[in-house]
Amino acid sequence: EVQLLESGGGLVQPGGSLRLSCAASGFTFSNYAMSWVRQAPGKGLEWVSSISDTGATTYYADSVKGRFTISRDTSKNTLNLQMNSLTPEDTAVYYCARATSGWHPWASWGQGTLVTVSS
Amino acid sequence: ERVMTQSPATLSVSPGERATLSCRASQSVSSNLAWYQHKPGQAPRLLIYGASTRATGIPARFSGSGSGTEFTLTISSLQSEDFAVYYCQQYNNWPLTFGGGTTVEI
Repeated sequence: EVQLLESGGGLVQPGGSLRLSCAASGFTFSNYAMSWVRQAPGKGLEWVSSISDTGATTYYADSVKGRFTISRDTSKNTLNLQMNSLTPEDTAVYYCARATSGWHPWASWGQGTLVTVSS
Repeated sequence: ERVMTQSPATLSVSPGERATLSCRASQSVSSNLAWYQHKPGQAPRLLIYGASTRATGIPARFSGSGSGTEFTLTISSLQSEDFAVYYCQQYNNWPLTFGGGTTVEI
């Protein structure tokens, strides 16, 4: 069974940094592209970033480009999202997601981790 | 960027009734369109991909249609567990984009 478990969320001040992780199990992590999707309070879903199975290719939403970095550690079966220069607009539940094959769509999701950016 | 527009924003229906949700893309996304169901406190659930293919384990009452710029999700007979927010998402082009969602309420 595919399992994705996010961690690392919490309260951070504007301008601060946070690193999210997603622990993957139940499948061969190195065979799948992975993504981060977020949902701000009272808002809809927003794609954040995706990374290829090898980690060689990454994509970012314009809203996070230059501030967020997606990466993966195959030895630990972990997907990461390094978030810098955070603003209140980054407050959201962050989900990691995996497609059945290829990049998308996303058939498997974690339960999410809440990031709150506030002073 | 492909802008995805969903309508209506809210759909009020009774159990057993049919629900029809619409999604429009600002430019063609071919058939690279997915529908997700999202309930509060839960992870989103993939319902439909390729515009019309049901994901594994999705009941037959859910169906999708369309291509290019116009798409429809139909729930043939609403069950109590179907009351949720539904999002369309295009994956034809980067950046990937979601519609604003349709809330299906009682």
